[in-house]
Amino acid sequence: QSVLAQPPSASGTPGQRVTISCSGSSSNIGSNSVNWYQQLPGTAPKLLSYGDNHRPSGVPDRFSGSKSGTSASLAISGLQSEDEADYFCAAWDDSLNSYVFGTGTKVTV
Amino acid sequence: QVQLVESGGGVVQPGRSLRLSCAASGFTFSSYAMHWVRQAPGKGLEWVALISYDGSNKFYADSVKGRFTISRDNSRNTLHLQMNSLRPDDTAVYYCARGVGDYSGKLHPDYWGRGTLVTVSS
Repeated sequence: QSVLAQPPSASGTPGQRVTISCSGSSSNIGSNSVNWYQQLPGTAPKLLSYGDNHRPSGVPDRFSGSKSGTSASLAISGLQSEDEADYFCAAWDDSLNSYVFGTGTKVTV
Repeated sequence: QVQLVESGGGVVQPGRSLRLSCAASGFTFSSYAMHWVRQAPGKGLEWVALISYDGSNKFYADSVKGRFTISRDNSRNTLHLQMNSLRPDDTAVYYCARGVGDYSGKLHPDYWGRGTLVTVSS
């Protein structure tokens, strides 16, 4: 059972902005950095955002992560058809001494 | 470029063992921690284990503690996952991923392999 809660789905039309939330606690998001992964159908996950709000090289600036307290969010602006994928938040949990993933959000364009 | 290639998956009966491997290239393997992460069919991601760059520290998810062992051979740029006492709920695609540090001092996966499928069934 995931300790980070995400909405199961989100959708938008091309060009719109979509935001995905990730709710945790003081032992994970509240005290450690949040990372986001994109998983396109049939492929391995790809790091989309790390350290709460940093983008790896090559990730478009349409993707932006943020964090406040024990919650985090990923915003996708200028939504494109190739953004259809599953998105997972993740963080280290100090109580579990484990890396924990969110429940995942399926984005439909 | 970073490449991670998993191998060793297959069909195994409950209670038996399996050893997964992950061949790394394109980076200095001995300088990085490594993770194993799994994904059951149609389900989300589940972190399995983490090993430090030199193998001196290992961390496990409660669901596999005492049954799985993570190890590495830095001379061969290879990561392993020894899985014993396998159960049907261990059925998943197993990914290896490189670990990198962040501002909080923790190690998160950045580059991932394509995964290898493990099916536990009689």
